[in-house]
Amino acid sequence: GAVVSQHPSRVICKSGTSVKIECRSLDFQATTMFWYRQFPKQSLMLMATSNEGSKATYEQGVEKDKFLINHASLTLSTLTVTSAHPEDSSFYICSATKSANTLRNYEQYFGPGTRLTVT
Amino acid sequence: AQTVTQSQPEMSVQEAETVTLSCTYDTSESNYYLFWYKQPPSRQMILVIRQEAYKQQNATENRFSVNFQKAAKSFSLKISDSQLGDTAMYFCAFRGMEYGNKLVFGAGTILRVKS
Repeated sequence: GAVVSQHPSRVICKSGTSVKIECRSLDFQATTMFWYRQFPKQSLMLMATSNEGSKATYEQGVEKDKFLINHASLTLSTLTVTSAHPEDSSFYICSATKSANTLRNYEQYFGPGTRLTVT
Repeated sequence: AQTVTQSQPEMSVQEAETVTLSCTYDTSESNYYLFWYKQPPSRQMILVIRQEAYKQQNATENRFSVNFQKAAKSFSLKISDSQLGDTAMYFCAFRGMEYGNKLVFGAGTILRVKS
């Protein structure tokens, strides 16, 4: 099966600093990657969709200047939380798919998530 | 706009028994996909089962099966012979072109399997 990794799995940073989270598809080329945010016992909230080589598309209400997403290659997307604050503390999950441009059943493969704590 | 509703925030079931999780959705599309995902305490999202809307036959995967009622826009998950390892949060999800082919998740149902 397809594998998606995230690094780091846990990170603690101080308020005002920036932190980068990596999402890698290990055995397939992911033209599209998704970034989600999840609070405890709640559902996944889609933050943005990133396509390789183009700018990410952010969901309504997500600050694009705060959550910088880069999809520089077919196997790597990064999420950078800039000037982090305690309210940014959350669980961040990425997923990857071969293509989201058609309705064909390209499965989304999920990473294991990254727990961010901002102190 | 698509919405996915899971009306059972929490459920519990005895080991070896059967439990059904409910999901309803709203869409104007005729062709789409429905999914059930499991998120155990490790928080890794795991695909349990998928259903293609144009297929009338209900999908099954071992102990997991769905009851897909397209006209009623209902998509329930039945877990037979429940096991302790089934304890997790379960999310129903919709995917269609009207929403850019992105997954739309329900609020989730916490399932606890008791011994």
